[in-house]
Amino acid sequence: DTGVSQNPRHKITKRGQNVTFRCDPISEHNRLYWYRQTLGQGPEFLTYFQNEAQLEKSRLLSDRFSAERPKGSFSTLEIQRTEQGDSAMYLCASSLASQYGYTFGSGTRLTVV
Amino acid sequence: KNEVEQSPQNLTAQEGEFITINCSYSVGISALHWLQQHPGGGIVSLFMLSSGKKKHGRLIATINIQEKHSSLHITASHPRDSAVYICAVNFGNEKLTFGTGTRLTIIP
Repeated sequence: DTGVSQNPRHKITKRGQNVTFRCDPISEHNRLYWYRQTLGQGPEFLTYFQNEAQLEKSRLLSDRFSAERPKGSFSTLEIQRTEQGDSAMYLCASSLASQYGYTFGSGTRLTVV
Repeated sequence: KNEVEQSPQNLTAQEGEFITINCSYSVGISALHWLQQHPGGGIVSLFMLSSGKKKHGRLIATINIQEKHSSLHITASHPRDSAVYICAVNFGNEKLTFGTGTRLTIIP
């Protein structure tokens, strides 16, 4: 297993366009988390899945954001009608359960121009 | 409000110096994590603590549950230790709440 994989690593998009990011967790991990990190700040929680069920969503996840994990394996995070304020690093992590710790991906850096 | 605070925000030291980074949190936790983030963004988990002290190589992490405080120490610091170190906690739930990070620069 190669760890948590995120694609793409970098994405530059024009304001108003839609973007989709993918996260492939460690295969045995049933929990998957999305975080957003802006420059100079710590990551902030967006949402998490246990298997295919989305169990918690942050208020940061506006109507323009949607996340899915259709078969309980990989997950996608879509941002519709991107805004400049969406520019950030989007991080994915997975775990067996919180008491076993987390493995993070390398992130997708989004720049909205 | 569930909060995590780190200090200092930035730390520059000479190679070989003993480094301490501090983390405090507002309410009871189920676990505290120390993470390392290099330029480019990837995050590596260094330690997960719920009590006491852990050591891995030149890194030592301690936690005082009563005082709601944790420290990360680096002995014999080296330029390759330069990174952002982030404290994160589980406030009794699945998600992590992060501090803002400490940017450490070790000068040869």
